[in-house]
Amino acid sequence: DVKVTQSSRYLVKRTGEKVFLECVQDMDHENMFWYRQDPGLGLRLIYFSYDVKMKEKGDIPEGYSVSREKKERFSLILESASTNQTSMYLCASSFGRDEQYFGPGTRLTVT
Amino acid sequence: QKEVEQNSGPLSVPEGAIASLNCTYSDRGSQSFFWYRQYSGKSPELIMSIYSNGDKEDGRFTAQLNKASQYVSLLIRDSQPSDSATYLCAVAISGYSTLTFGKGTMLLVSP
Repeated sequence: DVKVTQSSRYLVKRTGEKVFLECVQDMDHENMFWYRQDPGLGLRLIYFSYDVKMKEKGDIPEGYSVSREKKERFSLILESASTNQTSMYLCASSFGRDEQYFGPGTRLTVT
Repeated sequence: QKEVEQNSGPLSVPEGAIASLNCTYSDRGSQSFFWYRQYSGKSPELIMSIYSNGDKEDGRFTAQLNKASQYVSLLIRDSQPSDSATYLCAVAISGYSTLTFGKGTMLLVSP
C-alpha cells in the first residue's frame, strides 16, 4: 500500500511566522504535489515536483515555496504566514500521470 | 481552459438505492479518469480509475466512461449510509502533467 504521511494534522501559527509543512511518501513515486482545499473552491494545486530538486508552479503559488532535496520528501514553506492561508493542506504523490495518493492533510490556522 | 465539472449536490438517495454521480470534462485528449471519495475532514481516497470507454466494476462501484460525449460517471449500487461523502472526479488532461479535479458532488445516503 502507498503511504503518504504529513508532519502535522493540526497546526496553529501566528501571522508573519515562517511555516514548514513536510510530506513523505514510501513508494518511490517520482511526482509529488501540494494542494490546498477550501470550502466551495475545491482542490487547488500550489506546487508540484517531478524529480529531486525540480519544481513547477501550480495554480496558486503566490506566498508559498517548496523544497525537494530527497525523492521521498516534499516540503511546503509559507515564508510569512497570513490569515488567508488558513486552510487544509494536502500532499499527494504519483508515478507518472497516474492516480495520485493523498496524505491525511494538515489543517493550518493562522491567527 | 481545462475544466472538470460536477454537480455540487447534495445528491440524496435512500439506503439500498443506486447512486449515480456524473462528471463532464472539456478536453477531448484526456486519457485517464479517477474517482475519489472524501469524508468530511479527511483526505481524498482513490476508489476507481478508468482509462478506456465502457464500464469498469469493482464491488458495488461501477465507473463508466464515454469519451465521445466527454463524461465519466460513478454508480454506487446498494448505497449505504457509510457511502455518504463527497466524490471527486479527476482527469489527466493531455499536455499537463497533473490531474484536474472537479469540485465534487456530496452524496447523502439516508437509512
